[in-house]
Amino acid sequence: QVQLVESGGGVVQPGGSLRLSCAASGFTFTNYGMHWVRQAPGEGLEWVTFIRFDGSNKYYADSVKGRFTISRDNSMSTLYLQMDSLRAEDTAVYYCAKGINRDDYNLLYWGQGTQVTVSS
Amino acid sequence: DTQMTQSPSSLSASVGDRVTITCRASQSISNFLCWYQQKPGKAPKVLICAASGLQSGVPSRFSGSGSGTDFTLTISSLQPEDFATYYCQQSYSLPLTFGQGTRLEIK
Repeated sequence: QVQLVESGGGVVQPGGSLRLSCAASGFTFTNYGMHWVRQAPGEGLEWVTFIRFDGSNKYYADSVKGRFTISRDNSMSTLYLQMDSLRAEDTAVYYCAKGINRDDYNLLYWGQGTQVTVSS
Repeated sequence: DTQMTQSPSSLSASVGDRVTITCRASQSISNFLCWYQQKPGKAPKVLICAASGLQSGVPSRFSGSGSGTDFTLTISSLQPEDFATYYCQQSYSLPLTFGQGTRLEIK
C-alpha cells in the first residue's frame, strides 16, 4: 500500500534553514508528481509546492517562492523540501501528498506530517 | 488564484442529522473539486473528488454535487465518527487552494 513518511522537522531560529524529507513506498515513485501542503497551528490547509513526476517543472506558493526549494531523488524514492530564510509564519505541520494519476492535483494520499517550529 | 469560500465555518448537529456544507469558487473550476475530512492531530483524508466521485472505502452517507463555481458536501445521517473538520479544495489549477474549513461539532 502507498506509504509516505515525512521527517526532518524541528525547531529552528528565524532566518535559519531546514530540510524535510518524504520517503515513499508502495508505488512507483518515478511515475508521480508530488506535493507539499502545510497547516499552521489551529489554521487551515495551505498548498506549498509541487514537482512533476520527472522533476522537469516545479511550482510554488507566493508565500514561499524564493525561499523554499522542492526536489526529488527518484533513485531513493524520496521527496525533499529545502526551507531557507525561515520565518515565524512558516511554523506548521508539513505534509507530503500525491494523487492517483501522473501529475495529479487531487491529493489522495498523505503522510502523517512533520512539525516545523520557527522560534527564537 | 482561485479563492475557495466554505460555509458555514462551524456547525453543530446531532447524530442522525442530515448536514450540508457548501463551497464556492471565485471562478469556474468545472468539476475539479475534492472534499477532505480531518480529525485532530491527523492528516486529511480524501472523501470525494471530481465533485461527486466517492473515494474507495468512504461510506455512502457522504455525497457531493455541483459544478462550475458552486459545490456541496452532504452527510445524509451523521455518525459519531463524522464529527471533524471538512475542507474543499480546487484541483483545477495551481496554486491549489482550499476552503477555510467547516468544523462539525456535536450538539
